[in-house]
Amino acid sequence: DIVMTQTPLSSPVTLGQPASISCRSSQSLVHSDGNTYLSWLQQRPGQPPRLLIYKISNRFSGVPDRFSGSGAGTVFTLKISRVEAEDVGVYYCMQATQGLTFGGGTKVEIK
Amino acid sequence: EVRLVESGGGLVKPGGSLRLSCAASGFAFSNAWMSWVRQAPGKGLEWVGRIKHKAAGGTTDYEAPVKGRFTISRDDSKNTLYLQMNSLKTEDTAVYFCGREYYGVIDYWGQGTLVTVSS
Repeated sequence: DIVMTQTPLSSPVTLGQPASISCRSSQSLVHSDGNTYLSWLQQRPGQPPRLLIYKISNRFSGVPDRFSGSGAGTVFTLKISRVEAEDVGVYYCMQATQGLTFGGGTKVEIK
Repeated sequence: EVRLVESGGGLVKPGGSLRLSCAASGFAFSNAWMSWVRQAPGKGLEWVGRIKHKAAGGTTDYEAPVKGRFTISRDDSKNTLYLQMNSLKTEDTAVYFCGREYYGVIDYWGQGTLVTVSS
């Protein structure tokens, strides 16, 4: 099974400042079809997860452009350019290249 | 608008059974792969398994902790996904979400239904 490791576990951020979350996979996420099935999800308190980014860097419909994804192979990053109050929650990376696994989550909170 | 609504959760004793349903609307359900994901209280997300659409064979995949105990099925005539859970253990206590899986992404999620396994 592919293991997904996220850092940090918690990220206290000042409103308006950037935030960055890292996700590493135990093996390459490049699929035999050439795609890399790495996505990022946001889970606000008391809510179901919501898709933000798919295939490393593609923003899902309705996702603000302050969210961006990057990376390749086994190392990926989610960046929030300027954190807003509504961004508070837990962020998960997810791979679907081989089976489907989630990272452990990173809690974004306001300082 | 894509909508997924889970139901069927509740309190069940260890060793018992429960069937969850996920009613889908707003998209061509019969053409979709569907997944179940669970979240234990205060914990992260854990994939339970998936069912592919009939064109891909309608086959299922399960994670190790539930393999042999849980069964995912679908009724395309009713636009409904099911999760049959047998031999339930206390560690199966979680909120269970259904999600549409589209080209390697779970793009839409239901609100979830809580399953509590306790004596």
